[in-house]
Amino acid sequence: NAGVMQNPRHLVRRRGQEARLRCSPMKGHSHVYWYRQLPEEGLKFMVYLQKENIIDESGMPKERFSAEFPKEGPSILRIQQVVRGDSAAYFCASSPKSRFSYNEQFFGPGTRLTVL
Amino acid sequence: AQTVTQSQPEMSVQEAETVTLSCTYDTSESDYYLFWYKQPPSRQMILVIRQEAYKQQNATENRFSVNFQKAAKSFSLKISDSQLGDAAMYFCAYFTSGTYKYIFGTGTRLKVLA
Repeated sequence: NAGVMQNPRHLVRRRGQEARLRCSPMKGHSHVYWYRQLPEEGLKFMVYLQKENIIDESGMPKERFSAEFPKEGPSILRIQQVVRGDSAAYFCASSPKSRFSYNEQFFGPGTRLTVL
Repeated sequence: AQTVTQSQPEMSVQEAETVTLSCTYDTSESDYYLFWYKQPPSRQMILVIRQEAYKQQNATENRFSVNFQKAAKSFSLKISDSQLGDAAMYFCAYFTSGTYKYIFGTGTRLKVLA
């Protein structure tokens, strides 16, 4: 049973380019969460999505960042016009159940974004 | 707002010895969960141990155990018989039942000395 998959594992972009990070949740999971880990810090919540719905994007920067989880295919975190401060590890997690009860989130291996 | 504090940026332990990592948290909720995650150089987040706040008994997983002091809002991790493979960043995390956001501390880097 495959775990949460993220690709690419490493992504290098120059300032001003776009970054697209992909996350395939575990089989049977319909809830996806994105977290960002800046250097020497813990993970911080960015956005919570269900299929075709953004439930909570309160942790997303107001500009340049967007996320989607289409009916078919992986969840995408998109960063437009990247800047050096976007360099971080981006983690995706997935869970199987309703947000109204506790359910463990399973983390992917992360994507390390480096902006030159 | 809930916060998680790890006051030890770095800890060292001799192989086969015991080490305790500290974590405190702040919350007004009564129903929540606490976790310790291990992050090796591969950056994969690995769940080490979980504690439900309503359980008085401290969680244990083989060489890993916690000291959960609910009134003091303290949640420390004890690693017994430390092994070289235990070297990693360790993150304390908090999760409120009925929400979906993990709140992480800033981490403690554990070094294991041969």
